Amino acid sequence: AQSVTQPDIHITVSEGASLELRCNYSYGATPYLFWYVQSPGQGLQLLLKYFSGDTLVQGIKGFEAEFKRSQSSFNLRKPSVHWSDAAEYFCAVAKDGSNYKLTFGKGTLLTVNP
Amino acid sequence: DAGVIQSPRHEVTEMGQEVTLRCKPISGHNSLFWYRQTMMRGLELLIYFNNNVPIDDSGMPEDRFSAKMPNASFSTLKIQPSEPRDSAVYFCASSLEKRDSTDTQYFGPGTRLTVL
Repeated sequence: AQSVTQPDIHITVSEGASLELRCNYSYGATPYLFWYVQSPGQGLQLLLKYFSGDTLVQGIKGFEAEFKRSQSSFNLRKPSVHWSDAAEYFCAVAKDGSNYKLTFGKGTLLTVNP
Repeated sequence: DAGVIQSPRHEVTEMGQEVTLRCKPISGHNSLFWYRQTMMRGLELLIYFNNNVPIDDSGMPEDRFSAKMPNASFSTLKIQPSEPRDSAVYFCASSLEKRDSTDTQYFGPGTRLTVL
């Protein structure tokens, strides 16, 4: 069965600093990978997704992620964090090449210090 | 676009009572998903509908849980009887699935359920 690991439960960065959130997946075939963000009391919003092609994917709000098959990773990055980026971030993988059955990681909570 | 609409946003009930959660997907979407989010288990897919038909309900915890989608614009998730361990945030999501292509799942704001 596929699985997603987000090693960092909680990360704190200063506003303006760079950010990298880690995501590792376990899946036998070519994965469909996603990053979602959840603000307090809100639903999940898609930041970006990878299905195929260029392994560096650009998303909304200045985020990007890089798919590295050799490392089974799909890390999320942002060069300069804004206070409004404080939220919980979820990495997800689609099962069986179908985007409907998403398996989510446990999430990484991001705190941004002024 | 109004996005995915869920009601109620918060529900507090007593153990043994019936609970009904409601979802209106984005107009034109043909797939609907119910998820449950808890601290212990994270986000879990409960059930997936395509064109109003349940395709995968393998995530439904037990017979106390049931979901329906009587038409393309409405779905319910019912728990009867409810138990304290059902306390969680329940999300509804929808997407537009096309043959041989994939699309984004759009999530509603969730219903926070507390069973006392």
